[in-house]
Amino acid sequence: GAGVSQSPRYKVAKRGQDVALRCDPISGHVSLFWYQQALGQGPEFLTYFQNEAQLDKSGLPSDRFFAERPEGSVSTLKIQRTQQEDSAVYLCASSLVLGQRGYEQYFGPGTRLTVT
Amino acid sequence: KNEVEQSPQNLTAQEGEFITINCSYSVGISALHWLQQHPGGGIVSLFMLSSGKKKHGRLIATINIQEKHSSLHITASHPRDSAVYICAVTMDSNYQLIWGAGTKLIIKP
Repeated sequence: GAGVSQSPRYKVAKRGQDVALRCDPISGHVSLFWYQQALGQGPEFLTYFQNEAQLDKSGLPSDRFFAERPEGSVSTLKIQRTQQEDSAVYLCASSLVLGQRGYEQYFGPGTRLTVT
Repeated sequence: KNEVEQSPQNLTAQEGEFITINCSYSVGISALHWLQQHPGGGIVSLFMLSSGKKKHGRLIATINIQEKHSSLHITASHPRDSAVYICAVTMDSNYQLIWGAGTKLIIKP
């Protein structure tokens, strides 16, 4: 079956533009995560959804970042008034369930955002 | 001190060599993950383990819960194994992944 897909794969935005990044998780996966990975760094947690509920958005760096998953499947990460420091790879991951013994996250290919 | 530490940071080896990458952690965990990231590519989950040992092809992952240590081994390494290998843990009390800094592996033909 298909894995996690993300679009676009690459996005160049001018400073101040709004961007929308899409994530299609594996069908039936309950949990969805967004991560931000700056160049040469490890991924940093942004936000977490369980179905359509955004249970944790503590990692969103500012109020310019907004994520939604209205029907509990596809998710969109929106960044308003992009800044150069927003340049990074944005990774989406999904998992079937959130179990007490940990869970396996399946990652998408990422969207590389470059803000000029 | 980082909660998840990997070593070495960089590793260059010849094709065919046996590779070991180490991961130590300082928090209580429910699972440990080994992931692979190719340059410019997305992240692929290799293993998730909470005890013992797992094997998949030429890859072997082990974990010692008492010592809070895990190793990833690659047997008969090949240039296509060149990638960044990341250790990450899921804490007992939290669903978030805590990431190690990664090990950049280069296998020369």
